[in-house]
Amino acid sequence: DGGITQSPKYLFRKEGQNVTLSCEQNLNHDAMYWYRQDPGQGLRLIYYSQIVNDFQKGDIAEGYSVSREKKESFPLTVTSAQKNPTAFYLCASSAGVQPQHFGDGTRLSIL
Amino acid sequence: DAKTTQPPSMDCAEGRAANLPCNHSTISGNEYVYWYRQIHSQGPQYIIHGLKNNETNEMASLIITEDRKSSTLILPHATLRDTAVYYCIVRVDRGRGSQGNLIFGKGTKLSVKP
Repeated sequence: DGGITQSPKYLFRKEGQNVTLSCEQNLNHDAMYWYRQDPGQGLRLIYYSQIVNDFQKGDIAEGYSVSREKKESFPLTVTSAQKNPTAFYLCASSAGVQPQHFGDGTRLSIL
Repeated sequence: DAKTTQPPSMDCAEGRAANLPCNHSTISGNEYVYWYRQIHSQGPQYIIHGLKNNETNEMASLIITEDRKSSTLILPHATLRDTAVYYCIVRVDRGRGSQGNLIFGKGTKLSVKP
């Protein structure tokens, strides 16, 4: 079945380490997005990409980086510059004017 | 994009209709109303969207007032599996590749009770 796969489901990071969250889609969608969700809160946009080899900062891009080398993949790196990385991270994709489809998320925690 | 206002929580009896309100008094003429829901620890799931006319699909109905300043999502026969946080979002459909800014507020936590 077509969909969005995020891995891993749970991730732990030591202080000062970079970690990369994976997001893969087989929906042939041009656009992909990363959101962050804190407990009891809505989603906030980190980065988004409308086409391969292009991406834009969202509302809370500081401390994060992305790449879009392939249409199917949009990995998010949480760098050591992100001082409060513990959160639920959600990846989404969309095509044209159709609604966004979301993955099941990665929960990142600091050891 | 316009801001939305939703009640923080609602209860509904199993088998009854769940009516979830959303105020979007500053909505512009070209902004759509979207509804998503999020079951605990999962990604949001798209439910329905509309511009001016009422819409219905296999999951729900969307009723938009004539002045478009508010809308109601209706789950006609709520089940326990409909317990989730429901988000109402208004945004412009700018065409190809322009879906970037879905602004999620805190939504309405719907609890369906047996």
